[in-house]
Amino acid sequence: GENVEQHPSTLSVQEGDSAVIKCTYSDSASNYFPWYKQELGKGPQLIIDIRSNVGEKKDQRIAVTLNKTAKHFSLHITETQPEDSAVYFCAASRVGGTYKYIFGTGTRLKVLA
Amino acid sequence: DVKVTQSSRYLVKRTGEKVFLECVQDMDHENMFWYRQDPGLGLRLIYFSYDVKMKEKGDIPEGYSVSREKKERFSLILESASTNQTSMYLCAINTGTKETQYFGPGTRLLVL
Repeated sequence: GENVEQHPSTLSVQEGDSAVIKCTYSDSASNYFPWYKQELGKGPQLIIDIRSNVGEKKDQRIAVTLNKTAKHFSLHITETQPEDSAVYFCAASRVGGTYKYIFGTGTRLKVLA
Repeated sequence: DVKVTQSSRYLVKRTGEKVFLECVQDMDHENMFWYRQDPGLGLRLIYFSYDVKMKEKGDIPEGYSVSREKKERFSLILESASTNQTSMYLCAINTGTKETQYFGPGTRLLVL
C-alpha cells in the first residue's frame, strides 16, 4: 500500500547549525509534497511544499529538495533558531483527485541554545 | 486567511459514551478531513468529505462515523468511545482548487 517513511524520528542540533529531515514515498504517482510544522498545543501548519515538476524550492532558511527517481524528498533548515523546535511532518499526495495525503510519522526537532 | 475551528481543545469521556467532535470552517471549502494523531504513527486519515452529505472512509474508519449536514461543519462521531480512541484529533480543509490542507488546533480526547 501507499507509505511515507520519515527519518529521523528525533533530531537535536545546536543553534545556528543546519537540520535535515528525509522522507521516502512509495507511490510513483504522487505529485505534491508538503511539509508541516507542529508546535506544542497547535495544529500542523504548512511551511513549504513542492510539486513533482520542480527539483528544489527555497523560502528564506527553509528549502525542500525532491528526487523523483529515487522517490525521496528532504527538508533543509539552515541557521536553526530555538523557535524552529517543533515536530515536522512530511506528506505525499495520493492518486485520486481528492487532495488526500499520506503523512510521515514525524520528526521532533530540538534546537539547543 | 483560512480559519478552521474545533469545538473543544480537551475532552474527557467515559468508555461507552457517545462523543461528538465538531469542526467548522469560515469559507465555502468543499473538502474536509478528520485525522487522528498518535506518537510514532503520524497523522492517519479517519474520514473525508467532499461535499454536503458526501463522505468517504479513510484508512482507519472503524469505530467512527461522520456527519456533514452543512458545508461549513464536519462532525466526527464516536458511537461508543473506547480507551484505544484516546488520541489527538485534527480537522483539516482544503479549497478544492489547491492541494494545500489547513488544520485546526486539534482536540485532545481522553477516554477513561
